[in-house]
Amino acid sequence: EAGVAQSPRYKIIEKRQSVAFWCNPISGHATLYWYQQILGQGPKLLIQFQNNGVVDDSQLPKDRFSAERLKGVDSTLKIQPAKLEDSAVYLCASSLKAGENTEAFFGQGTRLTVV
Amino acid sequence: DAKTTQPNSMESNEEEPVHLPCNHSTISGTDYIHWYRQLPSQGPEYVIHGLTSNVNNRMASLAIAEDRKSSTLILHRATLRDAAVYYCIRLNYKLSFGAGTTVTVRA
Repeated sequence: EAGVAQSPRYKIIEKRQSVAFWCNPISGHATLYWYQQILGQGPKLLIQFQNNGVVDDSQLPKDRFSAERLKGVDSTLKIQPAKLEDSAVYLCASSLKAGENTEAFFGQGTRLTVV
Repeated sequence: DAKTTQPNSMESNEEEPVHLPCNHSTISGTDYIHWYRQLPSQGPEYVIHGLTSNVNNRMASLAIAEDRKSSTLILHRATLRDAAVYYCIRLNYKLSFGAGTTVTVRA
């Protein structure tokens, strides 16, 4: 079974530039998550999709971050414009459904450095 | 907003058991308790989960207090490959992580 695929693995941009990350979840998984993990901290949930609808985006900085999940499958996370404090690993995860009895699978992440 | 409390770090010797505590005193009746771990430079991976009864799988055991306000993840024989950050999560519909416990295993 193929895992959660993310690209790119690494990205270096200058502040005020834009960047986009792509995630392909495990086939058949209805729930998709995006996390931001700053060095030394636990992953912070940015947005959670159920199919192509947003379940929670309470911690997404909506003035600069946006995310979409086309046709309930692939997803992109965009930052525009980037700030130095956006330097982090961005993790995508998916699960069969949201809720108590399901296991989430994580991708390898995209390491973003903003200079 | 993980609403769980874990020690920052724990150390263990190789091939000895490791008991990782987690406090979730405000847990609701329908919240499951999930554990994930994150090895260096990797994404988190699922370890185990439970609701009320103790649970065992090939990776670990989960002991849940009778009042469900706390739980303990048990690694029966720690290996060097178990060195990771372990996260205890009180799961309703959001999979939210806290700071976790950093486990160090001494050879």
